[in-house]
Amino acid sequence: EAQVTQNPRYLITVTGKKLTVTCSQNMNHEYMSWYRQDPGLGLRQIYYSMNVEVTDKGDVPEGYKVSRKEKRNFPLILESPSPNQTSLYFCASSLAGLNTGELFFGEGSRLTVL
Amino acid sequence: GQNIDQPTEMTATEGAIVQINCTYQTSGFNGLFWYQQHAGEAPTFLSYNVLDGLEEKGRFSSFLSRSKGYSYLLLKELQMKDSASYLCAVRFNNAGNMLTFGGGTRLMVKP
Repeated sequence: EAQVTQNPRYLITVTGKKLTVTCSQNMNHEYMSWYRQDPGLGLRQIYYSMNVEVTDKGDVPEGYKVSRKEKRNFPLILESPSPNQTSLYFCASSLAGLNTGELFFGEGSRLTVL
Repeated sequence: GQNIDQPTEMTATEGAIVQINCTYQTSGFNGLFWYQQHAGEAPTFLSYNVLDGLEEKGRFSSFLSRSKGYSYLLLKELQMKDSASYLCAVRFNNAGNMLTFGGGTRLMVKP
């Protein structure tokens, strides 16, 4: 089954404790992206990647890191989480350039930073 | 900025038709997407418009006017399960392949 898988789905952590949210897709997509979704602000892009070893900042990259060492994986790293990073995070993927028009989303990871 | 505007909330009756509007900045436009998102779930793709006109897919249609920076999503024969948020997203060619999302329109369908 074609899918984007994120882990963990739910996490409560404390300020400053490094964490990684993993994302994996099995559709051989070149393009992968991370979004956060907050009430009243909609989906905002954090980072995206056009292919292996190619990453770019989105609208709200501060406090996040990503890596793309393999085509299928695109982990999101919070080196020192803070409470303002409490949010619902979505990973998404598509074929190169979004030309097909279809962005596939993972099920979301709800993160709470105390 | 690249503001994308859509109404925050709408209410409609089961069986009726509803139109959800989306306006955006026209500079650098390179495609518009509509997604549906049920509460607590991931967004799912509904439609894609890059040329002017109407794209129809069953009960859902999406319209685009590039010169006006305007799109709408039309939902016919509304069902209770259509209660969800509808997200308008635009790709701008001066922002790589980044999709910029509007805040979403929460649609409530009442019996």
